[in-house]
Amino acid sequence: GAVVSQHPSRVICKSGTSVKIECRSLDFQATTMFWYRQFPKKSLMLMATSNEGSKATYEQGVEKDKFLINHASLTLSTLTVTSAHPEDSSFYICSASRNSYNEQFFGPGTRLTVL
Amino acid sequence: GEDVEQSLFLSVREGDSSVINCTYTDSSSTYLYWYKQEPGAGLQLLTYIFSNMDMKQDQRLTVLLNKKDKHLSLRIADTQTGDSAIYFCAERDSSASKIIFGSGTRLSIRP
Repeated sequence: GAVVSQHPSRVICKSGTSVKIECRSLDFQATTMFWYRQFPKKSLMLMATSNEGSKATYEQGVEKDKFLINHASLTLSTLTVTSAHPEDSSFYICSASRNSYNEQFFGPGTRLTVL
Repeated sequence: GEDVEQSLFLSVREGDSSVINCTYTDSSSTYLYWYKQEPGAGLQLLTYIFSNMDMKQDQRLTVLLNKKDKHLSLRIADTQTGDSAIYFCAERDSSASKIIFGSGTRLSIRP
């Protein structure tokens, strides 16, 4: 099957620092990757959609300068939370798809805690 | 905009059937999904149904779709402790890559 990994699985950082989360498709080429944020007892909220080699498309209300997304290869996308604050603490999940309309395969998520 | 709603909690006895319900608003939904999320993990696609179908069965899972009422349900037969998880209902229309998720139903199993 299609496997998607995320690294790190957990990260704790100080307020004001930047944190990078990696999402990798291990056994397929992912033209499109999606980044979600999940709040406790809440649904997954799509933050942005990225296509390999293009700029990410951000959902309304998501600050593109705060959540930097890079999708430089067909197997790797990164999300960088810049100048993190406690309100950025959340569970971040990525998914990868062979193209925009194919099934999305989800990573295991990254728990970010900002102190 | 599009919205997907489901109840937050469901508790069932081991061996009984679980029925998780979901309603959605987007009449142009083409694909309707059920995902399972175990604690601290990502989402696993359990099953999906096309909007032109009424029912889909896959082993212990039965999905029913009432397109007129925009109501989707997931029935898990002979519920086991390993079925404890959060179940997300989701929808997508054929012209969009974006999937809209419900808030998830936490299924707990009692002995």
